[in-house]
Amino acid sequence: SYELTQPPSLSVSPGQTASITCSGDKLGDKYACWYQQQAGHSPVLVIYQNNKRPSGIPERFSGSNSGNTATLTISGTQAMDEADYYCQAWDSSTASPVVFGGGTKLTVL
Amino acid sequence: EVQLVESGGGLIQPGGSLRLSCAASGFTVSRNYMNWVRQAPGKGLEWVSVIYSGGGTYYADSVKGRFTISRDNSNNTLYLQMSSLRAEDTAVYYCARALSPWGDYYMDVWGKGTTVTVSS
Repeated sequence: SYELTQPPSLSVSPGQTASITCSGDKLGDKYACWYQQQAGHSPVLVIYQNNKRPSGIPERFSGSNSGNTATLTISGTQAMDEADYYCQAWDSSTASPVVFGGGTKLTVL
Repeated sequence: EVQLVESGGGLIQPGGSLRLSCAASGFTVSRNYMNWVRQAPGKGLEWVSVIYSGGGTYYADSVKGRFTISRDNSNNTLYLQMSSLRAEDTAVYYCARALSPWGDYYMDVWGKGTTVTVSS
């Protein structure tokens, strides 16, 4: 089955840039999306189709996907961005087509 | 307003069965890809199952043969029938709508979740 790998944790200072990676075999040949989950809340979509932001998501969130790695970048990170972030991809050719990465805990300190 | 509301969770003994429901408003369940995603305590998100608009269903290996996803078009509701429950099925279960317009796949609407605890 397809697997996506994320670093378990990342720490950044307020105002710095946070880059969260998601690795998978030929991930660049698929579309990646990203979810933010703040403590005690449901996940929220922050990036879809590799680099598109849903309405209401701040411009400081951006995404890219090439080769084996998708990256979520948060520019000018704010304290409110502290959360768990999950990448997700879809492989329609498999029996279990939806895959999440293990998640990255972003700490802003 | 587009909304999903899950219900049906609770405490169940190992080996038991439970049916989760997800009531949708603001859109039509049968015209969308509808998913169940779960999150065990302190763990990450795990995709469980999807029912496509065409009716096709798919499952994670961890629940295949034990869980069944279905929908009631007249009530605009998604279901997850869970049987032979195990301790490792303990989780918050979310339903989520997925869009797949250009060969991609992303979940843009999520419910607040319902908690399933499997314990004796």
